[in-house]
Amino acid sequence: DAGVIQSPRHEVTEMGQEVTLRCKPISGHNSLFWYRQTMMRGLELLIYFNNNVPIDDSGMPEDRFSAKMPNASFSTLKIQPSEPRDSAVYFCASSQTHPSRGVNYGYTFGSGTRLTVV
Amino acid sequence: DQQVKQNSPSLSVQEGRISILNCDYTNSMFDYFLWYKKYPAEGPTFLISISSIKDKNEDGRFTVFLNKSAKHLSLHIVPSQPGDSAVYFCAASVKGSARQLTFGSGTQLTVLP
Repeated sequence: DAGVIQSPRHEVTEMGQEVTLRCKPISGHNSLFWYRQTMMRGLELLIYFNNNVPIDDSGMPEDRFSAKMPNASFSTLKIQPSEPRDSAVYFCASSQTHPSRGVNYGYTFGSGTRLTVV
Repeated sequence: DQQVKQNSPSLSVQEGRISILNCDYTNSMFDYFLWYKKYPAEGPTFLISISSIKDKNEDGRFTVFLNKSAKHLSLHIVPSQPGDSAVYFCAASVKGSARQLTFGSGTQLTVLP
């Protein structure tokens, strides 16, 4: 099992440009989460999907951020236009949730994408 | 409004001694708690968890204690090793669908040789 795969590992872009971050969850996991890590706020949940459907996007900072999950094996997080304050490490995580038991045994995180907007 | 708080951004401990990392929460609906460990340039990895029906869970050198009345949990590492140096995140979740985790801001543990 290759784990959760994120690409790119590092991204440096100019302010105003579009940035797309990619994630491949673990096969068989039915929940996918996008997190942002900053020094000030730690790990913030941006959005999560369950069975490819966005369930809660209340953590998305503003309309410049959008996320999609077209199928069970791929998700993207897009920032358009990007701003310097978007600079952070973005993590994708997946998990297997059992709705009948209401238990999630924890997430598996990818290695993250370090985004720098200059 | 931070529902999960780790008030100590950093902690230094001598090798062989006990490391105690603390976490407080405000949401009384949380019923499952986890600790994650994160090395630089890697994603967080699951370390240990505890259900609200327990007050202690032990796994080797790692023990998590839960005090529901105080809404407080702690992670004890005994004995601490230099390889334990990492950022430790406390996380909590509410029973129900999807089970999203709410994370604290993390504590950087440095174990000195």
